[in-house]
Amino acid sequence: QVQLVQSGAEVKKPGASVKVSCQVSGYTLTELSMNWVRQAPGKGLEWMGGVDPEDGETFYAEKFQGRVTMIEDTSTDTAYMELSNLRSEDTAVYYCTTRGFYNCFDHWGQGTLVAVSS
Amino acid sequence: NFMLTQPHSVSESPGKTVIISCTRSSGSIASDNVQWYQQRPGSAPTNVIFEDFERPSGVPDRFSGSIDSSSNSASLSISGLRTEDEADYYCQSYDNNNPVFGGGTKLTV
Repeated sequence: QVQLVQSGAEVKKPGASVKVSCQVSGYTLTELSMNWVRQAPGKGLEWMGGVDPEDGETFYAEKFQGRVTMIEDTSTDTAYMELSNLRSEDTAVYYCTTRGFYNCFDHWGQGTLVAVSS
Repeated sequence: NFMLTQPHSVSESPGKTVIISCTRSSGSIASDNVQWYQQRPGSAPTNVIFEDFERPSGVPDRFSGSIDSSSNSASLSISGLRTEDEADYYCQSYDNNNPVFGGGTKLTV
């Protein structure tokens, strides 16, 4: 069974960057399509992007193009999502999640709260 | 690009049946699979329906999904409501292989 364990909460100032990690166990990262979804306080789910395990190609939602980077360390089965030039609107819980065989998000990390405040 | 529109909230009594709708703004609801997720307060979402009407193992058959081309919408039906079903529910589909989520529906039991 896939388990995803994310890094802890972060507090950042506007303009800074944040890097959230997602440790995979139960499978190797190369077998999974890792995606990132965020949820602002009291708001809905928002897909940010993902990685194609076939070739490592990344796909980012248009809204985050130029500010987000998703990378994978296959030696440690850890995925990372880095978001730069943070603003207050980026305050949210960030989830890593796997896009499974049936094209649904079938496993989720516990979430990482990123708070952006001056 | 399209949007998925859900009612903001629904409420029903224990033991009853509730239906949550998810309407696609453009393009056919049948052209891309619809998934449904349950999110209890303080927890990550979990998948309860995939590929329009399939249930992951462990999800009770009180949960069912369907699509209706005439209204261009998908629906999640929960029968025999229990207090533990109280949660936010999100539909999700794909736009050119990019995931799109509905705004979510708060279910009060």
